[in-house]
Amino acid sequence: DIQMTQSPSTLSASVGDRVTITCRASQSISKWLAWYQQKPGKAPKLLIYEASSLQSGVPSRFSGSGSGTEFTLTISSLQPDDFATYYCQQYTIYWTFGRGTKVEVK
Amino acid sequence: EVQLVESGGGLVQPGGSLRLSCAVSGFTLSSYWMHWVRQAPGKGLVWVSRSNSDGRTTYYADSVKGRFTISRDNAKNTLYLQMNSLRVEDTAVYYCARDPAVGATNGYFDYWGQGALVTVSS
Repeated sequence: DIQMTQSPSTLSASVGDRVTITCRASQSISKWLAWYQQKPGKAPKLLIYEASSLQSGVPSRFSGSGSGTEFTLTISSLQPDDFATYYCQQYTIYWTFGRGTKVEVK
Repeated sequence: EVQLVESGGGLVQPGGSLRLSCAVSGFTLSSYWMHWVRQAPGKGLVWVSRSNSDGRTTYYADSVKGRFTISRDNAKNTLYLQMNSLRVEDTAVYYCARDPAVGATNGYFDYWGQGALVTVSS
């Protein structure tokens, strides 16, 4: 099984901050990685697919990069609506999620 | 507008059974691969099962293999998850989710239902 490790597990930030979340795969997954945002009591929302492709309708302050085993999700200027939990997901062999990164108010 | 609406959740005793439904609208179910993903209270997302577009090819997580069955009725635009021999550790919100590729797979999920809570407890 491919394991996905996200860091940090919690991130404290302020509106306007640049935020970076890292996701590492236990083996190479090429570019087959997605990022989701989830708010309490809501379903996850797709942000990024194929490591760096922005899903339609997602603000351009979200960006993804990486390939192989190391990936990042960056929010260029954190907005009030962005406080949430973020998950990475690999889809090379079956489907595995990271354990999530909660972005909270500093 | 694409919509996925789960139903069928509830409280069940250990060893019991439950069937979840996911009614879809705004797209033709028969053209898409579909998945079930679950989330235990306060925990992260865990993939459970996948059905290809005609329902003939299915995959399961090891934790549910032999107990859960994914199926679909494309004529009714509905996806199902039959859950048997339920365990306390199956307690979770269950989401159905769509793979965006038509007739094939991309591997990620572009639309999700609102979730159905399954509680397994005596």
